[in-house]
Amino acid sequence: QSALTQPASVSGSLGQSITISCTGTSSDVGNYNFVSWYQVHPGSAPKLIISQVTKRPSGVSNRFSGSKSGNTASLTISGLQAEDEAEYYCCSHAIRNTPDWVFGGGTKLTVL
Amino acid sequence: EVRLVESGGGLVQPGGSLRLSCAASGFSFRSYEMNWVRQAPGKGLERVAFISTGNGRIYYGDSVKGRFTVSRDDAKSSLYLQMNSLRAEDTAIYYCARDIGVAAADYWGQGTLVTVSS
Repeated sequence: QSALTQPASVSGSLGQSITISCTGTSSDVGNYNFVSWYQVHPGSAPKLIISQVTKRPSGVSNRFSGSKSGNTASLTISGLQAEDEAEYYCCSHAIRNTPDWVFGGGTKLTVL
Repeated sequence: EVRLVESGGGLVQPGGSLRLSCAASGFSFRSYEMNWVRQAPGKGLERVAFISTGNGRIYYGDSVKGRFTVSRDDAKSSLYLQMNSLRAEDTAIYYCARDIGVAAADYWGQGTLVTVSS
């Protein structure tokens, strides 16, 4: 069972917007502004699309945006395109016995 | 161009050992902290090891602590993961990933598949 909770799947039509939630606790998402999001296409390496809750790396489309409220972070993809169909994972800094990363279980985005 | 290329994966019996390597290029390897992250079949991502610059800090995931050892050779721009006492649940694609210091990794290799099975 993953430390962060994501919906297993979401879907949206071309051009629409979708939001993927990522719920943690006050020990991870709620206590640090170190939430990142990764896009994973089948057979490919993960791609960083959001870091530090809201920051987009260079080259990532501004259709991707991140936010956080309390223990829940969110990824919004606007103007859905066919190539957005992928698995999306959230990740948060956490302090366990040592500094750690905790991931969500992943959300499969289907573009209709 | 930043490149990370993993190697060393394969089929190993339970209880066996493997050593994974990650060759880095296109950036100053010694200046970056590095991670090993794995993805088991049909499962999510899991960070298994972290190593800071200068080997000052090393962290392991609870599931591999005491069995895996991460190391780096800055002269060779290479990252390693020695995996001992392998179990079926260690079966996964193993990625090396460049840490950017805010609980995120900005570059990932293509991964190497480790299969633990008799």
